[in-house]
Amino acid sequence: DAGVTQSPTHLIKTRGQQVTLRCSPKSGHDTVSWYQQALGQGPQFIFQYYEEEERQRGNFPDRFSGHQFPNYSSELNVNALLLGDSALYLCASSNGVTAQETQYFGPGTRLLVL
Amino acid sequence: AQSVTQPDIHITVSEGASLELRCNYSYGATPYLFWYVQSPGQGLQLLLKYFSGDTLVQGIKGFEAEFKRSQSSFNLRKPSVHWSDAAEYFCAVGARNTDKLIFGTGTRLQVFP
Repeated sequence: DAGVTQSPTHLIKTRGQQVTLRCSPKSGHDTVSWYQQALGQGPQFIFQYYEEEERQRGNFPDRFSGHQFPNYSSELNVNALLLGDSALYLCASSNGVTAQETQYFGPGTRLLVL
Repeated sequence: AQSVTQPDIHITVSEGASLELRCNYSYGATPYLFWYVQSPGQGLQLLLKYFSGDTLVQGIKGFEAEFKRSQSSFNLRKPSVHWSDAAEYFCAVGARNTDKLIFGTGTRLQVFP
Protein backbone atom coordinates (compact mmCIF):
# COMPACT_ATOMS: atom_id res chain seq x y z
CA ASP A 1 0.00 0.00 0.00
CA ALA A 2 1.67 3.15 -1.21
CA GLY A 3 1.74 5.99 1.24
CA VAL A 4 1.61 9.66 0.37
CA THR A 5 3.88 10.48 -2.54
CA GLN A 6 5.12 13.88 -3.65
CA SER A 7 6.95 15.13 -6.71
CA PRO A 8 9.45 16.43 -7.39
CA THR A 9 11.70 15.76 -4.41
CA HIS A 10 13.81 18.85 -4.99
CA LEU A 11 13.34 21.99 -7.04
CA ILE A 12 15.36 25.13 -7.70
CA LYS A 13 13.65 28.26 -9.01
CA THR A 14 14.48 31.94 -9.29
CA ARG A 15 12.56 34.87 -7.87
CA GLY A 16 9.42 35.74 -9.80
CA GLN A 17 8.99 32.31 -11.29
CA GLN A 18 6.04 30.02 -10.74
CA VAL A 19 6.15 26.46 -9.38
CA THR A 20 3.78 23.50 -9.22
CA LEU A 21 4.15 20.75 -6.65
CA ARG A 22 2.23 17.49 -6.79
CA CYS A 23 0.83 15.09 -4.23
CA SER A 24 -0.83 11.69 -4.44
CA PRO A 25 -2.68 10.74 -1.27
CA LYS A 26 -2.55 7.45 0.53
CA SER A 27 -4.90 4.86 -0.95
CA GLY A 28 -8.43 5.34 0.36
CA HIS A 29 -7.87 8.94 1.46
CA ASP A 30 -9.95 11.77 0.05
CA THR A 31 -8.57 14.82 1.84
CA VAL A 32 -5.28 16.57 1.15
CA SER A 33 -3.61 19.26 3.25
CA TRP A 34 -0.51 21.25 2.39
CA TYR A 35 2.06 22.58 4.85
CA GLN A 36 5.14 24.76 4.50
CA GLN A 37 8.12 23.93 6.71
CA ALA A 38 10.83 26.57 6.76
CA LEU A 39 14.28 25.59 7.95
CA GLY A 40 14.32 25.11 11.72
CA GLN A 41 10.57 25.58 12.03
CA GLY A 42 7.53 23.41 12.42
CA PRO A 43 5.15 22.91 9.50
CA GLN A 44 2.64 25.69 8.87
CA PHE A 45 -0.79 24.95 7.40
CA ILE A 46 -1.36 26.38 3.93
CA PHE A 47 -4.73 24.92 2.93
CA GLN A 48 -6.82 21.78 2.72
CA TYR A 49 -8.75 20.25 -0.17
CA TYR A 50 -11.76 17.97 0.00
CA GLU A 51 -14.18 17.09 -2.77
CA GLU A 52 -12.10 19.20 -5.14
CA GLU A 53 -12.68 22.36 -3.12
CA GLU A 54 -10.54 24.38 -0.77
CA ARG A 55 -12.06 23.89 2.66
CA GLN A 56 -9.78 25.87 4.87
CA ARG A 57 -6.83 28.19 4.43
CA GLY A 58 -4.00 29.31 6.66
CA ASN A 59 -2.30 32.71 6.67
CA PHE A 60 -0.75 32.51 3.23
CA PRO A 61 -1.15 35.04 0.40
CA ASP A 62 -3.13 34.42 -2.75
CA ARG A 63 0.13 33.62 -4.54
CA PHE A 64 -0.39 30.18 -3.03
CA SER A 65 -3.16 28.28 -4.78
CA GLY A 66 -4.12 24.68 -5.19
CA HIS A 67 -6.25 22.17 -6.90
CA GLN A 68 -7.63 18.73 -6.21
CA PHE A 69 -8.44 16.29 -8.97
CA PRO A 70 -11.24 13.69 -9.12
CA ASN A 71 -8.74 10.98 -8.17
CA TYR A 72 -8.00 13.00 -4.98
CA SER A 73 -4.47 13.94 -6.01
CA SER A 74 -3.55 17.56 -5.51
CA GLU A 75 -1.31 20.34 -6.75
CA LEU A 76 0.14 23.32 -4.95
CA ASN A 77 0.97 26.33 -7.11
CA VAL A 78 3.06 29.26 -6.00
CA ASN A 79 3.29 32.35 -8.22
CA ALA A 80 5.78 35.20 -8.16
CA LEU A 81 8.23 33.27 -6.01
CA LEU A 82 10.07 35.09 -3.24
CA LEU A 83 13.28 34.09 -1.52
CA GLY A 84 11.21 33.47 1.60
CA ASP A 85 9.25 30.76 -0.16
CA SER A 86 12.27 28.48 0.13
CA ALA A 87 11.10 25.63 2.34
CA LEU A 88 10.08 22.01 2.54
CA TYR A 89 6.51 21.63 1.30
CA LEU A 90 4.65 18.76 2.89
CA CYS A 91 1.50 17.12 1.72
CA ALA A 92 -0.70 15.21 4.15
CA SER A 93 -3.69 13.04 3.37
CA SER A 94 -6.53 11.77 5.53
CA ASN A 95 -9.80 9.94 5.21
CA GLY A 96 -12.31 12.66 5.97
CA VAL A 97 -12.00 16.20 7.12
CA THR A 98 -12.40 16.11 10.87
CA ALA A 99 -9.46 16.79 13.12
CA GLN A 100 -9.80 13.28 14.52
CA GLU A 101 -8.69 11.78 11.25
CA THR A 102 -4.99 11.00 11.30
CA GLN A 103 -3.02 12.89 8.71
CA TYR A 104 -0.34 10.91 6.91
CA PHE A 105 2.54 12.97 5.56
CA GLY A 106 4.59 12.56 2.44
CA PRO A 107 8.38 13.05 2.32
CA GLY A 108 8.00 16.58 1.01
CA THR A 109 9.33 18.68 -1.83
CA ARG A 110 12.28 20.89 -0.99
CA LEU A 111 12.04 24.19 -2.86
CA LEU A 112 14.97 26.56 -3.14
CA VAL A 113 14.33 30.03 -4.53
CA LEU A 114 17.41 31.92 -5.72
CA ALA B 1 -5.43 31.71 19.15
CA GLN B 2 -4.04 28.25 19.27
CA SER B 3 -0.30 27.84 19.76
CA VAL B 4 2.21 25.17 20.68
CA THR B 5 5.48 25.70 22.53
CA GLN B 6 8.31 23.23 22.62
CA PRO B 7 10.80 24.82 25.03
CA ASP B 8 13.72 22.53 24.20
CA ILE B 9 15.29 23.12 20.81
CA HIS B 10 17.91 20.39 21.17
CA ILE B 11 18.21 17.49 23.62
CA THR B 12 21.05 15.02 23.90
CA VAL B 13 20.72 11.73 25.77
CA SER B 14 22.71 8.54 26.07
CA GLU B 15 21.35 5.36 24.60
CA GLY B 16 19.32 3.52 27.23
CA ALA B 17 18.52 6.66 29.18
CA SER B 18 14.99 7.88 29.72
CA LEU B 19 13.55 10.73 27.69
CA GLU B 20 10.98 13.45 28.21
CA LEU B 21 10.19 16.05 25.55
CA ARG B 22 8.09 18.98 26.68
CA CYS B 23 5.08 20.45 24.93
CA ASN B 24 2.79 23.22 26.11
CA TYR B 25 -0.26 24.36 24.20
CA SER B 26 -2.62 27.28 24.24
CA TYR B 27 -6.24 26.60 23.40
CA GLY B 28 -9.55 27.60 24.90
CA ALA B 29 -11.06 24.15 25.07
CA THR B 30 -9.83 20.59 25.14
CA PRO B 31 -7.74 20.22 22.01
CA TYR B 32 -6.70 17.28 19.94
CA LEU B 33 -2.99 16.69 20.63
CA PHE B 34 -0.42 14.90 18.53
CA TRP B 35 3.25 13.98 18.53
CA TYR B 36 5.00 13.46 15.21
CA VAL B 37 8.58 12.40 14.45
CA GLN B 38 10.58 13.49 11.42
CA SER B 39 13.78 11.74 10.37
CA PRO B 40 16.12 13.35 7.83
CA GLY B 41 14.68 13.08 4.36
CA GLN B 42 11.44 11.63 5.68
CA GLY B 43 7.97 12.95 6.13
CA LEU B 44 6.29 13.26 9.48
CA GLN B 45 5.23 10.04 11.18
CA LEU B 46 2.52 10.02 13.83
CA LEU B 47 3.72 8.65 17.18
CA LEU B 48 0.53 9.09 19.18
CA LYS B 49 -2.55 11.24 19.60
CA TYR B 50 -4.95 12.31 22.33
CA PHE B 51 -8.59 13.16 21.78
CA SER B 52 -10.33 12.31 25.04
CA GLY B 53 -10.49 9.74 27.81
CA ASP B 54 -7.42 8.28 29.49
CA THR B 55 -4.86 11.06 29.80
CA LEU B 56 -1.92 8.66 29.39
CA VAL B 57 -1.61 7.72 25.75
CA GLN B 58 0.50 4.90 24.36
CA GLY B 59 2.05 5.22 20.93
CA ILE B 60 4.34 3.43 18.56
CA LYS B 61 8.02 2.69 19.13
CA GLY B 62 7.56 2.56 22.91
CA PHE B 63 6.56 6.22 23.30
CA GLU B 64 3.86 7.52 25.60
CA ALA B 65 2.49 10.96 26.42
CA GLU B 66 0.45 12.39 29.24
CA PHE B 67 -2.17 15.11 28.86
CA LYS B 68 -2.25 17.44 31.85
CA ARG B 69 -5.05 19.96 31.51
CA SER B 70 -4.00 21.97 34.56
CA GLN B 71 -0.56 22.54 33.07
CA SER B 72 -1.66 22.75 29.41
CA SER B 73 1.00 20.18 28.67
CA PHE B 74 1.37 17.04 26.60
CA ASN B 75 4.88 15.76 27.28
CA LEU B 76 6.32 12.83 25.37
CA ARG B 77 8.23 10.13 27.25
CA LYS B 78 10.20 6.99 26.58
CA PRO B 79 11.78 4.88 29.32
CA SER B 80 14.81 3.76 27.32
CA VAL B 81 16.03 5.56 24.21
CA HIS B 82 17.52 3.74 21.24
CA TRP B 83 20.02 5.24 18.80
CA SER B 84 17.37 4.99 16.08
CA ASP B 85 15.19 7.47 18.01
CA ALA B 86 17.49 10.33 16.96
CA ALA B 87 15.22 12.65 14.95
CA GLU B 88 13.15 15.83 15.13
CA TYR B 89 10.01 15.64 17.25
CA PHE B 90 7.00 17.87 16.75
CA CYS B 91 4.06 18.44 19.02
CA ALA B 92 0.85 19.61 17.32
CA VAL B 93 -2.60 20.74 18.34
CA GLY B 94 -5.80 20.44 16.35
CA ALA B 95 -8.97 22.31 17.18
CA ARG B 96 -12.25 20.48 17.33
CA ASN B 97 -13.94 22.83 14.89
CA THR B 98 -11.20 22.96 12.27
CA ASP B 99 -9.05 20.49 10.42
CA LYS B 100 -5.64 22.10 10.41
CA LEU B 101 -2.81 21.23 12.74
CA ILE B 102 -0.73 23.84 14.56
CA PHE B 103 2.83 22.63 15.09
CA GLY B 104 5.50 23.59 17.55
CA THR B 105 8.99 24.46 16.37
CA GLY B 106 10.27 21.00 17.16
CA THR B 107 12.88 19.39 19.41
CA ARG B 108 15.92 17.77 17.87
CA LEU B 109 16.94 14.62 19.73
CA GLN B 110 20.51 13.41 19.57
CA VAL B 111 21.40 10.00 21.02
CA PHE B 112 24.93 9.09 22.06
CA PRO B 113 25.99 5.42 22.19
